[in-house]
Amino acid sequence: AQSVTQLDSHVSVSEGTPVLLRCNYSSSYSPSLFWYVQHPNKGLQLLLKYTSAATLVKGINGFEAEFKKSETSFHLTKPSAHMSDAAEYFCVVSPPSPGMRFGAGTRLTVKP
Amino acid sequence: GAGVSQSPRYKVTKRGQDVALRCDPISGHVSLYWYRQALGQGPEFLTYFNYEAQQDKSGLPNDRFSAERPEGSISTLTIQRTEQRDSAMYRCASSYGQVMGETQYFGPGTRLLVL
Repeated sequence: AQSVTQLDSHVSVSEGTPVLLRCNYSSSYSPSLFWYVQHPNKGLQLLLKYTSAATLVKGINGFEAEFKKSETSFHLTKPSAHMSDAAEYFCVVSPPSPGMRFGAGTRLTVKP
Repeated sequence: GAGVSQSPRYKVTKRGQDVALRCDPISGHVSLYWYRQALGQGPEFLTYFNYEAQQDKSGLPNDRFSAERPEGSISTLTIQRTEQRDSAMYRCASSYGQVMGETQYFGPGTRLLVL
C-alpha cells in the first residue's frame, strides 16, 4: 500500500531563513509524489511533482524537493522563507489506483 | 472554465436532511475525484469518475454517500440523512486523463456543517 508520513505537524521559521518540511513515503511501486499547498480559505495548489524524470524537482515560489529512494524521502525546501509562504503543506503519493494519498499536513508559520 | 468550481461554498444543514454538493471540473478533463477533509487532516479519497463511469467508490464511508456524473462533466455528491460526523470540507478535483501520477487540480471545496 502507498502512504506518506509528514514528520512535523507544525514548523515555525523566521522570515529570510531556510524552510525544511519533511516527508517520508511508503510505496511498493515507483511512486509519483507531489507537494500541495493550502492557504487559508483557498483551494489546494500544486507546488511541484516528481515522476521519475529527475530526482531534484523545482516548483513554484522558489520551492524544491529532492526524491531520495534510499531514504524513501521527499522533503520540501526553500532557501529563504517569505511571509506569504505561511500555509498548510501536504505531501501526496499517487498509487496505481486513482485516488491520491495525502499526508496529515504541516502548518508552516513564518515570523517577521 | 478557468478552474474547478464547487457549489455551494458553505452548507449548514440539520441532522437527517439530505445534501447535494456540486462540482464543475475543468473543461475537457476526463477524470473527476471527490475527497473529504476533516479539520486538521489531509484530504481522504472518496470516489473517482472516468467520463461518466464511476470507476472507484472504495472511499465512500457508507451507503448514505453516493455520487454521479451523468454526462461526463458536472458531478454531484449526495449525502442522505446527514449526521454530525459528516461535517467536513468536501473537495473535488479533476485531471486531464487517467494516467497514474497525473496532476489533479482542486476546487475551493464545500464546507459542510451538520447541526
